Amino acid sequence: DAGVTQSPTHLIKTRGQQVTLRCSPISGHKSVSWYQQVLGQGPQFIFQYYEKEERGRGNFPDRFSARQFPNYSSELNVNALLLGDSALYLCASSFNGNTEAFFGQGTRLTVV
Amino acid sequence: GIQVEQSPPDLILQEGANSTLRCNFSDSVNNLQWFHQNPWGQLINLFYIPSGTKQNGRLSATTVATERYSLLYISSSQTTDSGVYFCAVVPSGGFKTIFGAGTRLFVKA
Repeated sequence: DAGVTQSPTHLIKTRGQQVTLRCSPISGHKSVSWYQQVLGQGPQFIFQYYEKEERGRGNFPDRFSARQFPNYSSELNVNALLLGDSALYLCASSFNGNTEAFFGQGTRLTVV
Repeated sequence: GIQVEQSPPDLILQEGANSTLRCNFSDSVNNLQWFHQNPWGQLINLFYIPSGTKQNGRLSATTVATERYSLLYISSSQTTDSGVYFCAVVPSGGFKTIFGAGTRLFVKA
C-alpha cells in the first residue's frame, strides 16, 4: 500500500506569489492534517480536515487555506507569500484524526 | 494550551551506548506518538503509545499518562539512529497535534 504522498517535493517561489501543495492520504484514511516546520523547530499545526470538513486550524494567518476533496486528498494554499513562509510543509494522514498519524515526505518551500 | 517539553535537547553518543529520551506534557492527552525525523525531513513512526509500554527491536517506549510523561529508550545505538526525535501529543478533548521541540541525537562511530 502506498503511504502518504505529497507533491511537489521542492518548490521555489517569489515573494507575493501564491502556492498550492498537494497531499494524498493512505487509502482508507479520512483525515488529513497540515503542518509547517521551520528549520530547527518542531512541526506546527496548520489545519485538520476530516470527512471534507475543516475540524480546526492553528495560529496561522488567513493567507493560509486548505480543502479536502471527496477522495480525501487535500490541498494547502498559501497566498501573498512572505520570506518567512519558507519551510518544510508536512501532511499527515489518519483514519479519523484521533488515531495514529502517518506523515508524507514533505514539500520544501523556499520563498525568495 | 498544552506544553510539550523534550529533554535533553541535544545528545551525542558513542556507537553501542544506550540512551533515554524524555517527553513531559502539561495536561492529559488522548494520543502520544514518537517520531524519528531523518536528514531528508521524513517523519518516521516509532511508537503510538498513549499509555503503557511497547518494544520494537532496540527501541522501547513507556508512557505514564497519569504522571504526564513518556520515555523513549534506545539500546545499542547505531550511527543510523542519528537524527531528531519528536514527541507529539493530542490533548484530551482536542484534535490538534502538538509537537515538542525535539531531541537531536548524534551517534559517533
